[in-house]
Amino acid sequence: QKEVEQNSGPLSVPEGAIASLNCTYSDRGSQSFFWYRQYSGKSPELIMFIYSNGDKEDGRFTAQLNKASQYVSLLIRDSQPSDSATYLCAVNVNNDMRFGAGTRLTVKP
Amino acid sequence: DAEITQSPRHKITETGRQVTLACHQTWNHNNMFWYRQDLGHGLRLIHYSYGVQDTNKGEVSDGYSVSRSNTEDLPLTLESAASSQTSVYFCASSELPSGRRDTQYFGPGTRLTVL
Repeated sequence: QKEVEQNSGPLSVPEGAIASLNCTYSDRGSQSFFWYRQYSGKSPELIMFIYSNGDKEDGRFTAQLNKASQYVSLLIRDSQPSDSATYLCAVNVNNDMRFGAGTRLTVKP
Repeated sequence: DAEITQSPRHKITETGRQVTLACHQTWNHNNMFWYRQDLGHGLRLIHYSYGVQDTNKGEVSDGYSVSRSNTEDLPLTLESAASSQTSVYFCASSELPSGRRDTQYFGPGTRLTVL
């Protein structure tokens, strides 16, 4: 079992819809959770981090964490074509960052 | 503006050659990291450093080495390049130790091809 798992996609949503990206992790000791966005041919850039159970909102983005279920998600409201990218989930495991393989999101105009 | 740069951006080399990839950051961050990114595997940690003279092995360190002689630079050396090391390499830096309330800033990446 991979330490951090994501559905590789592609996930396709129409413009204006809510995109839901999911991530599960295996280490119950994980304390910190991150979502990065990576455009094709570019480097990852941090969107959000979350440490506590529940929701954390930042503009159109909401991160959700459920430690009991070892599950973290990212919701993108009012999706735009510019949101089309690969989204990487990252989890702190014993002070090492472990990344999922990423979910490719396409937002269709 | 502070930044993190990598060089070269593209490199083609032959099996068995020693290769060094450069990473330079002007954030004055103590923490620096090297990752490789391959299809289906996402980003995997190769080596990291929490300060000058400190280096640590990551998840996929075999065949790689790093040294940290100053705050700004963390060069990555492939001792004897192998075709399995063909990948895109990203350097990153952060202010706080990995996993804490920090942001890792990534360089633009180096695409390495080993023939």
